[in-house]
Amino acid sequence: SAVISQKPSRDICQRGTSLTIQCQVDSQVTMMFWYRQQPGQSLTLIATANQGSEATYESGFVIDKFPISRPNLTFSTLTVSNMSPEDSSIYLCSAGTGLKGDTQYFGPGTRLTVL
Amino acid sequence: GQQLNQSPQSMFIQEGEDVSMNCTSSSIFNTWLWYKQDPGEGPVLLIALYKAGELTSNGRLTAQFGITRKDSFLNISASIPSDVGIYFCAGLISGTASKLTFGTGTRLQVTL
Repeated sequence: SAVISQKPSRDICQRGTSLTIQCQVDSQVTMMFWYRQQPGQSLTLIATANQGSEATYESGFVIDKFPISRPNLTFSTLTVSNMSPEDSSIYLCSAGTGLKGDTQYFGPGTRLTVL
Repeated sequence: GQQLNQSPQSMFIQEGEDVSMNCTSSSIFNTWLWYKQDPGEGPVLLIALYKAGELTSNGRLTAQFGITRKDSFLNISASIPSDVGIYFCAGLISGTASKLTFGTGTRLQVTL
């Protein structure tokens, strides 16, 4: 299994500003992902964070709004840019080996409130 | 994006009762995962299923990978107050770069 930490755990931000969320995994993993969970909803995949290359975004999510970095196998960041109240959500990082029979483990999440 | 249908949406049960919930899809999945999410926390993996028909237990929890590969079931026996939370199923299709599709969630409340 992998242990995943995220920083910050929560933040309250003003509209128009940006917030960068950090995700650290305690072991080297092939796959890292970023999810959004809106209040009372399920998890929606934002993008796959690729090490050393541009992230792969899901439909409805774009790099200008959610730039992602992954400089190595254990660390990734997600930035929520030019925030609006609609961006208020929990943002979750997950990681896995990507091998057959793999599972994914989740970080504790970052609870973002945009005023 | 696609979501898996989970039922029931919510459950109110008494301590000691057994719980059953299921997850269905129109697509075939190669892996089924069950997670529990407590308020203010990230999802925690409960059980992973990798083969059609597989039945796996983790303490009081038992999950099954449906024969059709389009569904999965989670049972909790003798529920206790700490079972309260939201349970999510998630499916994985081989060749999709490990991208999970999540269910809509089942909210479980346990009364004493």
